Amino acid sequence: DIQMTQSPSAMSASVGDRVTITCRASQGISNYLAWFQQKPGKVPKRLIYAASSLQSGVPSRFSGSGSGTEFTLTISSLQPEDFATYYCLQHNTYPWTFGQGTKVEIK
Amino acid sequence: EIQLVESGGGLVQPGRSLRLSCTASGFAFGDYLMSWFRQAPGKGLEWVGFIRSKAFGGTTEYAASVKGRFSVSRDDSKSIAYLQVNSLKVEDTAVYYCTRDGSGSYGALRALDIWGQGTMVTVSS
Repeated sequence: DIQMTQSPSAMSASVGDRVTITCRASQGISNYLAWFQQKPGKVPKRLIYAASSLQSGVPSRFSGSGSGTEFTLTISSLQPEDFATYYCLQHNTYPWTFGQGTKVEIK
Repeated sequence: EIQLVESGGGLVQPGRSLRLSCTASGFAFGDYLMSWFRQAPGKGLEWVGFIRSKAFGGTTEYAASVKGRFSVSRDDSKSIAYLQVNSLKVEDTAVYYCTRDGSGSYGALRALDIWGQGTMVTVSS
């Protein structure tokens, strides 16, 4: 199975901060990597697909990069509505696997 | 409107079964792989299994934690995907979500982009 190591698991940040979340795959997954945002009690929302493509309607402060085994989600200027948990998912090889999640909290 | 609606969850005793449904609307259901995910209370997301479209053989794959107990099927004439969950365990308690993946026919744009609202399964005696 492909392990997705996501870091950090939690972080405190302030509005306006630049936030970077990383996922490392235990083997190459090409660009079959998506990033999701989930708020408490809500359905996961896809932010990024194919590692670096921005989902329609998602603010441009979100961006994704990487290929192969190293991937990054960046929020260029954190906004109040961005406080949530973020997950990466590899869907290159089954079993599809998620990172452990990153909870972004208000500092 | 493109939509997925799950149903069939509830409170069930350990060892019993349930059939969850995912009813799709607003898109060409038959073109899509349909996948199930779950999330236990306070925990992260977990992939459960999927069924490919008929064009890709209609075959299924499962997570090791549910293989042999869970089964995904589909009825393209009704635009419904099913998750049959048997021999339920307390640790199967979770919200179950269905999603679509059209990457085989439409590319990554339509991969895991639409999620249902989820249906809660509680396994308890």
